[in-house]
Amino acid sequence: QQQVKQSPQSLIVQKGGISIINCAYENTAFDYFPWYQQFPGKGPALLIAIRPDVSEKKEGRFTISFNKSAKQFSLHIMDSQPGDSATYFCAAASTTSGTYKYIFGTGTRLKVLA
Amino acid sequence: EPEVTQTPSHQVTQMGQEVILRCVPISNHLYFYWYRQILGQKVEFLVSFYNNEISEKSEIFDDQFSVERPDGSNFTLKIRSTKLEDSAMYFCASSEFINTEAFFGQGTRLTVV
Repeated sequence: QQQVKQSPQSLIVQKGGISIINCAYENTAFDYFPWYQQFPGKGPALLIAIRPDVSEKKEGRFTISFNKSAKQFSLHIMDSQPGDSATYFCAAASTTSGTYKYIFGTGTRLKVLA
Repeated sequence: EPEVTQTPSHQVTQMGQEVILRCVPISNHLYFYWYRQILGQKVEFLVSFYNNEISEKSEIFDDQFSVERPDGSNFTLKIRSTKLEDSAMYFCASSEFINTEAFFGQGTRLTVV
């Protein structure tokens, strides 16, 4: 029940296209859903995050869509650029758990072709 | 921009040896974490630390592991008697409050030979 399932495992998108990465969870106690971007050899960097009181959050070219009833959330990268090529991790946390640990998805390796 | 810093960036150690991974969290942050990422796999939670004590640990964090905040700025992860399977990237993270974003360091790549 603590798992976060992420798909696809890898994704290739043409420059200017839309990249879509999906995540699903089971634990209804999760109430914070961040997305992290990781470049090779670097630590995960927070990209955008959402709480379940909203269904969508947009920051620049990055949008999170959240479906509370389906327990799913997704990251959309509009106008994808070669510089977006990285591994993306979704995560979930419960602010009621007392420790705020993140449960990460398995990651999506995105490659944007120039 | 404040950041979490980790040292060393790469540590090679003999199996059975002890290693200490060091982290300097962001200065006004109160919650500290260690995560591990085995090559090509997902990031896994190891332990969280607040008010000078462990607040939660995963099943990975057994007696081989310990954490400490030896002074006002450092946060360390000690791995006793390292095993080959401890080879991974270890990330330190910190957050200001319990329900705010966690910021990750660049990681320490631990290689056990």
